Amino acid sequence: DTEVTQTPKHLVMGMTNKKSLKCEQHMGHRAMYWYKQKAKKPPELMFVYSYEKLSINESVPSRFSPECPNSSLLNLHLHALQPEDSALYLCASSDIPFSGANVLTFGAGSRLTVL
Amino acid sequence: LAKTTQPISMDSYEGQEVNITCSHNNIATNDYITWYQQFPSQGPRFIIQGYKTKVTNEVASLFIPADRKSSTLSLPRVSLSDTAVYYCPQAREYGNKLVFGAGTILRVKS
Repeated sequence: DTEVTQTPKHLVMGMTNKKSLKCEQHMGHRAMYWYKQKAKKPPELMFVYSYEKLSINESVPSRFSPECPNSSLLNLHLHALQPEDSALYLCASSDIPFSGANVLTFGAGSRLTVL
Repeated sequence: LAKTTQPISMDSYEGQEVNITCSHNNIATNDYITWYQQFPSQGPRFIIQGYKTKVTNEVASLFIPADRKSSTLSLPRVSLSDTAVYYCPQAREYGNKLVFGAGTILRVKS
């Protein structure tokens, strides 16, 4: 299995809802990432987990809460989002974190719409 | 630290060779140069990686000069399906942090 699987593919939520995005990989990768991508913009890094511990938080608002239950799973919990948080949320994984040769494998993304 | 710099867009025709350049002014000694391709509503996909000189795989070649301040992605004989955005992200924090610049929109016409 050489894929990163993200669910759901599409999510519509109100500003008062609580929802979660899920990401799974079975490649034995030890680093997992969340990126946010707005239309016609490059992906922006949000969080990095290395060896199941949060190693990078790019000053993301607390309404986004990441969780890494184990080395294969990564969740992004969403609460009290704003319409401007609508975007494509990309999960990625890599097998050699903290290496200059790090290569990320991305999932297809979860398209989030906040009403 | 500045991100990498690429042309905003390029147009080509089917069957032509396309070369996309990227400047890596702040590249660290241990960092490799990696290129990704992204289609609409999909995640970026790894194309090729190199450290110096030339690397070739089944889809592209990567040319890196000795000073490693730039790189050139070469796509031989492009087809319509190569229409995509191409990124050469900058690695930071010992490779754990991949920062994407604006990317190059490649449009291939028939």
